[in-house]
Amino acid sequence: SQQGEEDPQALSIQEGENATMNCSYKTSINNLQWYRQNSGRGLVHLILIRSNEREKHSGRLRVTLDTSKKSSSLLITASRAADTASYFCATDARGAQKLVFGQGTRLTINP
Amino acid sequence: NAGVMQNPRHLVRRRGQEARLRCSPMKGHSHVYWYRQLPEEGLKFMVYLQKENIIDESGMPKERFSAEFPKEGPSILRIQQVVRGDSAAYFCASSPSSGGGETQYFGPGTRLLVL
Repeated sequence: SQQGEEDPQALSIQEGENATMNCSYKTSINNLQWYRQNSGRGLVHLILIRSNEREKHSGRLRVTLDTSKKSSSLLITASRAADTASYFCATDARGAQKLVFGQGTRLTINP
Repeated sequence: NAGVMQNPRHLVRRRGQEARLRCSPMKGHSHVYWYRQLPEEGLKFMVYLQKENIIDESGMPKERFSAEFPKEGPSILRIQQVVRGDSAAYFCASSPSSGGGETQYFGPGTRLLVL
């Protein structure tokens, strides 16, 4: 397995429900970021959480980080059809500037 | 403030031809990163550049691929003698500095198709 693995690979829920996606990584990090990618499009930055932070909120998004378990979760509350997309976590290892991405979670919101 | 710009958005090449992908970072950003995404996969780091310098090319294939970020003008990712396996989406990102914790802002990508 590789740095920044998302779980589940695919998630399908009804509009209005909450969606939770998880990410695990292997090495020590400076920060962890979540991105969204609509089909055939570029990546949109959602939220960045630093290694010394445990939880962060942005609108309907809530991100947690547990450095002892090397894992993070992204919660989207009150999901909307427009939230349908792939979601990626990305980490930057200490001492490196490059981002390491997971395979992503494909989220489908059913109306 | 315009975002990261990439062109072309779509590029079709025949095997053996050259592909040139361009990236203009966000205004005020002097750090550029290139990533490649194969279908149904995450992005894989290729190269990190600052103006006139390649800082980290650990993800770049050793042959046929090169990148530059000149003092003036966009960053260029160049793929010589393309093969079908080069078909992918190539994304450029930029950041204002290289300090830990900087957000990288991505462009819309160039989708390369090799026939």
